[in-house]
Amino acid sequence: DTGVSQDPRHKITKRGQNVTFRCDPISEHNRLYWYRQTLGQGPEFLTYFQNEAQLEKSRLLSDRFSAERPKGSFSTLEIQRTEQGDSAMYLCASSFERDQPQHFGDGTRLSIL
Amino acid sequence: AQKVTQAQTEISVVEKEDVTLDCVYETRDTTYYLFWYKQPPSGELVFLIRRNSFDEQNEISGRYSWNFQKSTSSFNFTITASQVVDSAVYFCALSAPAAGNKLTFGGGTRVLVKP
Repeated sequence: DTGVSQDPRHKITKRGQNVTFRCDPISEHNRLYWYRQTLGQGPEFLTYFQNEAQLEKSRLLSDRFSAERPKGSFSTLEIQRTEQGDSAMYLCASSFERDQPQHFGDGTRLSIL
Repeated sequence: AQKVTQAQTEISVVEKEDVTLDCVYETRDTTYYLFWYKQPPSGELVFLIRRNSFDEQNEISGRYSWNFQKSTSSFNFTITASQVVDSAVYFCALSAPAAGNKLTFGGGTRVLVKP
């Protein structure tokens, strides 16, 4: 049973560029969560899916952010027109059912130049 | 609204000492879950334990033990006989089914175990 996989591990881009991250959850996990973690802080919730349905978005998720999980398997998180404040670690987690523990991937570290 | 507070930002101990990490939470939900995660220097979050709000029994797993007290809204974590490999940031977190089970994390406690 492979763990949650995130790609890329690191992304460096210039301000104003668009970036897209991918998350592959643990097989058969129907819940998928995105979190953002800035240096020295705990992760903060961004959004989550049950299968392909996006059920909640945090107020942290501005209109420059969009997430999809088109077939209920992998998910993508896109940030348009990146800003300095978007620099963070973006974490993906999955769980088998609603009440089960979430298991995290290694994260994608985004650096905005 | 849910809130998790980890008052200790950093704890430094010498190997083999015990270390206790404090966690205090706030929630209006009657059904909720409490978690501890470990984040070593490599960055991945490692799940350690989950407790539900109806189970106040303390739990021990090897050198790790957890003390859940609803009366004080606390879920403390003790590492006995610490080892250098225990050096990491430890996060306490809370979730509730009524809120989609999204995790609300505390700010984390950095544990440094010196040889």
